[in-house]
Amino acid sequence: DAGVIQSPRHEVTEMGQEVTLRCKPISGHDYLFWYRQTMMRGLELLIYFNNNVPIDDSGMPEDRFSAKMPNASFSTLKIQPSEPRDSAVYFCASSPFYSRAGELFFGEGSRLTVL
Amino acid sequence: GDSVTQMEGPVTLSEEAFLTINCTYTATGYPSLFWYVQYPGEGLQLLLKATKADDKGSNKGFEATYRKETTSFHLEKGSVQVSDSAVYFCALRTGGNQFYFGTGTSLTVIP
Repeated sequence: DAGVIQSPRHEVTEMGQEVTLRCKPISGHDYLFWYRQTMMRGLELLIYFNNNVPIDDSGMPEDRFSAKMPNASFSTLKIQPSEPRDSAVYFCASSPFYSRAGELFFGEGSRLTVL
Repeated sequence: GDSVTQMEGPVTLSEEAFLTINCTYTATGYPSLFWYVQYPGEGLQLLLKATKADDKGSNKGFEATYRKETTSFHLEKGSVQVSDSAVYFCALRTGGNQFYFGTGTSLTVIP
């Protein structure tokens, strides 16, 4: 079975440019999470969706960040305009059901470098 | 609030040494507990989990026991290998569907 698929794997852009990261969750998973990982702050939850609806976006750092999930098989995380401090690895993860026993399945991440 | 505290790294061990990475948690209710592993350049992978008190999760020689009385979920392995070098994350999931991750512990195993 295919796991969580993220694209691009690597993105290098210049400050001020728009960045769009993409995620395809595992089929049948009801929950989708976006995380950001940096050396300084570790793993941070940005936002999560249940059945395509955003449930908690309190981790989104500021208005420059937005996330959408137009259908059950696709989500985007957009940064506009990007800044050097946004450089990080962004992970998408999905989870199969509303149960405290269900684990997260992570994608391989998108490494963003903003110059 | 709910949280996870895990042992600071980095940890460096010789091959075949015994490994312990400490993890304690704070949570209301009855969370599930997880250990994830992240190899260089990869995403996090589930290593093991336990869903109720006294459960023992195990995988690839790693073990962790859900201790409600001490609110702990320490990761252990009897004999580490070079291939175990990675970053290990302790995590909990609450009934509210939130996941909380520790800061990660970097392990390097030298031959």
